[in-house]
Amino acid sequence: GQNIDQPTEMTATEGAIVQINCTYQTSGFNGLFWYQQHAGEAPTFLSYNVLDGLEEKGRFSSFLSRSKGYSYLLLKELQMKDSASYLCAVTNSNYQLIWGAGTKLIIKP
Amino acid sequence: ETGVTQTPRHLVMGMTNKKSLKCEQHLGHNAMYWYKQSAKKPLELMFVYNFKEQTENNSVPSRFSPECPNSSHLFLHLHTLQPEDSALYLCASRRGVEFSEQYFGPGTRLTVT
Repeated sequence: GQNIDQPTEMTATEGAIVQINCTYQTSGFNGLFWYQQHAGEAPTFLSYNVLDGLEEKGRFSSFLSRSKGYSYLLLKELQMKDSASYLCAVTNSNYQLIWGAGTKLIIKP
Repeated sequence: ETGVTQTPRHLVMGMTNKKSLKCEQHLGHNAMYWYKQSAKKPLELMFVYNFKEQTENNSVPSRFSPECPNSSHLFLHLHTLQPEDSALYLCASRRGVEFSEQYFGPGTRLTVT
């Protein structure tokens, strides 16, 4: 089968750095997405990785290792508004999007 | 209007009712999706339309019936639902089915009583 694993919940402190991991087993690979979803709202796109390495976008960075089936989302200088769920999704060889269950990130003052 | 809109935002219906969810995208995208989101579960893909043609049906029960009259509009017709169908139903659009990111609507919170 195909699946994506992410931690269910993480807690971090305002101003700190947090890393949210995602591991995947899919039939082929055509890219990995990270989305942010605030409670009661729609998911919004954060990043896309298709090649190995680190993609940086402001306070957020996303890393991919295709050989390890592994990605992480790194959030720096955490703010209270970063409290949300973070969804990892992989496009397989049939261009289907396989979704993880999401990681709920709680930021404490 | 911009982005992806969905109506209604909240819906309560009995098991014998018939209702429809509506999605509209103003992004010029060619692919549209229906997802079901239940608490603590991954997003469940229900249907995919590409250039108005249904390209995926993920073994969805027939009590859910999609309709895509054009690339900008997508409907989900509901009838004789079960309480376990209560969830957030999200619509999304994408430039094409291959590489680009999806843009989501705000969702319809459905409660079946």
